Amino acid sequence: ETGVTQTPRHLVMGMTNKKSLKCEQHLGHNAMYWYKQSAKKPLELMFVYNFKEQTENNSVPSRFSPECPNSSHLFLHLHTLQPEDSALYLCASSQGSRDYNEQFFGPGTRLTVL
Amino acid sequence: AQSVTQPDIHITVSEGASLELRCNYSYGATPYLFWYVQSPGQGLQLLLKYFSGDTLVQGIKGFEAEFKRSQSSFNLRKPSVHWSDAAEYFCAVALYRDDKIIFGKGTRLHILP
Repeated sequence: ETGVTQTPRHLVMGMTNKKSLKCEQHLGHNAMYWYKQSAKKPLELMFVYNFKEQTENNSVPSRFSPECPNSSHLFLHLHTLQPEDSALYLCASSQGSRDYNEQFFGPGTRLTVL
Repeated sequence: AQSVTQPDIHITVSEGASLELRCNYSYGATPYLFWYVQSPGQGLQLLLKYFSGDTLVQGIKGFEAEFKRSQSSFNLRKPSVHWSDAAEYFCAVALYRDDKIIFGKGTRLHILP
């Protein structure tokens, strides 16, 4: 595997379900990101982890819970979601320790909340 | 505050025609600029980037962009578009010693046969 991978690619869940999104990067990076992309809305940065420490939480509701066990893996735990949470969830990674940090993106998980 | 503006939400061009997508940024320091492309339902792929040096940068898929400091612009160009270029294009700026990138709202490109 190369680059940034995300699983699953598609997920359908009910509002009472609990599920997790997984992201893995094979680039030796130190920073990882979760973005939300809804239809007709710009990219929304949700969380940033740098060297496994959360450095950004962009006022995300607590029904989204990130976890970064190491610099290569990032999870987004989902529970009691709402239909408006249906979106494409993108993971990205970057070196995180340079003067300028270019981000590399995964293919995304298309989430549908019923 | 730093910002990236893409003034065109949608652009339609005929296949074979030239293309220019506009991007303006607001940032006090020397910017590190990107153009990403996103096909429907996919992640973002880096087309090209500018950090320093030659202000005309070449990217993948035949795209190029020109950095103009005096106009705070970083417009994306392609001399002849192909139907496969239909996608959404995002301009972005990386902040100095910050792990975040500021994205524009995107321009959706439509190609007429």
